Amino acid sequence: DAGVTQSPTHLIKTRGQQVTLRCSPKSGHDTVSWYQQALGQGPQFIFQYYEEEERQRGNFPDRFSGHQFPNYSSELNVNALLLGDSALYLCASSLVGRDIENYGYTFGSGTRLTVV
Amino acid sequence: AQTVTQSQPEMSVQEAETVTLSCTYDTSENNYYLFWYKQPPSRQMILVIRQEAYKQQNATENRFSVNFQKAAKSFSLKISDSQLGDTAMYFCAFMQAGTALIFGKGTTLSVSS
Repeated sequence: DAGVTQSPTHLIKTRGQQVTLRCSPKSGHDTVSWYQQALGQGPQFIFQYYEEEERQRGNFPDRFSGHQFPNYSSELNVNALLLGDSALYLCASSLVGRDIENYGYTFGSGTRLTVV
Repeated sequence: AQTVTQSQPEMSVQEAETVTLSCTYDTSENNYYLFWYKQPPSRQMILVIRQEAYKQQNATENRFSVNFQKAAKSFSLKISDSQLGDTAMYFCAFMQAGTALIFGKGTTLSVSS
């Protein structure tokens, strides 16, 4: 049973560019959440997608946007990259209404984004 | 807004010893869930243990146990018989039903032989 898959593993972008990160949820999961983890810090919630709609959003600017596809996979887009966007971006999947609280989320290994 | 505080940035312990990681949180809600996650160098966040706030009994998973003090809003993790493979960053996390996980800043645990 495949877990959460994220691509690419590492990425280097230039300030001002745009980037797209991808996530395939664990088989059977229908909800995808994105987190930003700065070096040495805890993950910060960006947003969550369910039924192809943004369900919740954290305190992130509109430069951060996302999408969920009918197969439940998801993309995170960041426009006008800043040096401060350099971080590990984690994707987590879950199943709405089904033991979310009991089992938490299944996380991917993340995409390390470096903005230069 | 809910917050999670981990006051120990780094901890060190010898193999076979016991270590306790601290976590406090702030919420006005009565029903919520608490988690400890482990993040090894591989970066993948792994669920260690969870606790439902409505349960009085402290959760236990093999060598891992929690001390949940609801009134004090405290949720510490005890690791018994520490192993080299326990070396990782540990995050305390809070969640209300239907909302996102909120993480603390983490504690880096080093287990040495």
